[in-house]
Amino acid sequence: AQTVTQSQPEMSVQEAETVTLSCTYDTSENNYYLFWYKQPPSRQMILVIRQEAYKQQNATENRFSVNFQKAAKSFSLKISDSQLGDTAMYFCAFMNLQGAQKLVFGQGTRLTINP
Amino acid sequence: KAGVTQTPRYLIKTRGQQVTLSCSPISGHRSVSWYQQTPGQGLQFLFEYFSETQRNKGNFPGRFSGRQFSNSRSEMNVSTLELGDSALYLCASRPTTGFSYEQYFGPGTRLTVT
Repeated sequence: AQTVTQSQPEMSVQEAETVTLSCTYDTSENNYYLFWYKQPPSRQMILVIRQEAYKQQNATENRFSVNFQKAAKSFSLKISDSQLGDTAMYFCAFMNLQGAQKLVFGQGTRLTINP
Repeated sequence: KAGVTQTPRYLIKTRGQQVTLSCSPISGHRSVSWYQQTPGQGLQFLFEYFSETQRNKGNFPGRFSGRQFSNSRSEMNVSTLELGDSALYLCASRPTTGFSYEQYFGPGTRLTVT
């Protein structure tokens, strides 16, 4: 079974700073996707970024980028020029493309951006 | 396109009762998945429906069931409610054409069992 671990329960940074959220996963599969989701206080789960395991290039979406280290099974999220609206729970998620295509989530990191 | 919608948004039930939650996916999305979110267990997969068939099921008791209609709308049902069923229930849809695996979530239904 796949597992996802987020080792930082909480993080806090000042507005405009850069912050990196860590995620590691465990799988014996080779064909999978990784995601970062954001859940603000409204509880709406929002997709931030995705990474296909077969792609060596790290995904980027505006201020959000990932550092995908497949051999190390590491998938960290970097938020540049952080904004107050980035305050949220961030979940790392894994999806195996073979078999049940379900999301397996980490426990989340509560990120607070301070003014 | 309109996003995933879930109704009702909030629900209070008593132990032993049953409840039905509804989810309307994004237009054109034929896969609907359900997740339970609790402070203790985090986010856990309940089941996935595609073309009116349950394609995958998580590790939940038989009290949790679901179905999908021909228009892709989905319902989940929990019978004989227990206090531990109090949770945020999230529905997610995704396209099933091409190579897109992103799941798009609805706002959730907050169920409180007393």
